[in-house]
Amino acid sequence: DAMVIQNPRYQVTQFGKPVTLSCSQTLNHNVMYWYQQKSSQAPKLLFHYYDKDFNNEADTPDNFQSRRPNTSFCFLDIRSPGLGDAAMYLCATRTPYGGSNEQFFGPGTRLTVL
Amino acid sequence: TQLLEQSPQFLSIQEGENLTVYCNSSSVFSSLQWYRQEPGEGPVLLVTVVTGGEVKKLKRLTFQFGDARKDSSLHITAAQPGDTGLYLCAGVRAQGAQKLVFGQGTRLTINP
Repeated sequence: DAMVIQNPRYQVTQFGKPVTLSCSQTLNHNVMYWYQQKSSQAPKLLFHYYDKDFNNEADTPDNFQSRRPNTSFCFLDIRSPGLGDAAMYLCATRTPYGGSNEQFFGPGTRLTVL
Repeated sequence: TQLLEQSPQFLSIQEGENLTVYCNSSSVFSSLQWYRQEPGEGPVLLVTVVTGGEVKKLKRLTFQFGDARKDSSLHITAAQPGDTGLYLCAGVRAQGAQKLVFGQGTRLTINP
């Protein structure tokens, strides 16, 4: 089945140690999103790609970077994780065609910062 | 200021009861989606409503989009423990960037 895959599902890192989270999709969607979700809160958009065009949200810290080497893959790099960056990180995709605004989410990566 | 106000934020009821979750805004949305999220998982899309006044049913779940496309509701009939989860409404504004705006979520617990 076509899907959005995130690896790893659980990631533990140390304070200040860089970490990379990955997302891949078999849906061939042009748009990919990264969200941060803290406990019992709604997902917060960090940035998104429309093809290779990168769109950063105004309040996304510089500590967060992203790469999209091709349509299928997108990475979230946290350069110096702080305790406040512990959260669930969600990847989502969307196709801009067909008039649908539906976003398809991956299962998420739970990040723990020690 | 929260663009989409979702209420209630927490709801705990007994199996078999009915419930309604509301999602309200002063903005017009071109579409609105409802997701359910279980602990440790990503949100799963339940339904998308597009037309003002639209009603969609998914088994015991009934979704309605307001006539003015500013609000939506989710009604669950005869709730079951398997309905437990975080319910999120999310909309795409009629004007501006095609980004999802999320409500705060409703944490629903159905007790056996």
